[in-house]
Amino acid sequence: IAGITQAPTSQILAAGRRMTLRCTQDMRHNAMYWYRQDLGLGLRLIHYSNTAGTTGKGEVPDGYSVSRANTDDFPLTLASAVPSQTSVYFCASSDSSGRATDTQYFGPGTRLTVL
Amino acid sequence: GQNIDQPTEMTATEGAIVQINCTYQTSGFNGLFWYQQHAGEAPTFLSYNVLDGLEEKGRFSSFLSRSKGYSYLLLKELQMKDSASYLCAVLDSNYQLIWGAGTKLIIKP
Repeated sequence: IAGITQAPTSQILAAGRRMTLRCTQDMRHNAMYWYRQDLGLGLRLIHYSNTAGTTGKGEVPDGYSVSRANTDDFPLTLASAVPSQTSVYFCASSDSSGRATDTQYFGPGTRLTVL
Repeated sequence: GQNIDQPTEMTATEGAIVQINCTYQTSGFNGLFWYQQHAGEAPTFLSYNVLDGLEEKGRFSSFLSRSKGYSYLLLKELQMKDSASYLCAVLDSNYQLIWGAGTKLIIKP
């Protein structure tokens, strides 16, 4: 693995189903993030984690949950998917949280369609 | 509220120069980032400015004026591969990145 990987690449999901998007990084970055990107809107932060064992809510957390059991993995779960969660989801990581020189590196994204 | 404004779309000619503007109103400021995003791909880091002035990196330069809440990305000697969206993002007082909607740059031969 080099950098950040996400799985699946794309998924079509029936409304009401549970879904977990996976994210793994091998850069030993402390901080990880989940964003959604919708046409005409900027990237919107769903949840973040400054370090393993801690998580926080971003701008649009409703309907999503995350966990950070270790440094490398940061899964995003949709407990009961709804059509408004149709989007492209990006996972990102950065070397440190709270530093002004922080730069986020992104995974390739997961395209999710909820019908 | 917090706000990042960029033009939605710009068109330029191969070999020319283009300037993409970004204005921001955020709660605090800890730096401004520019990212490039090709269609269907992830954003990739281009530049970071925290002090006023111009940062040059090859064909790309980024300028910041904190007093005006303004930045621009300057792309010189445009190539077809520069066709992409360019995202402006500000690190606010909580060290959270606030993102603009992006500027789609179309390069014509």
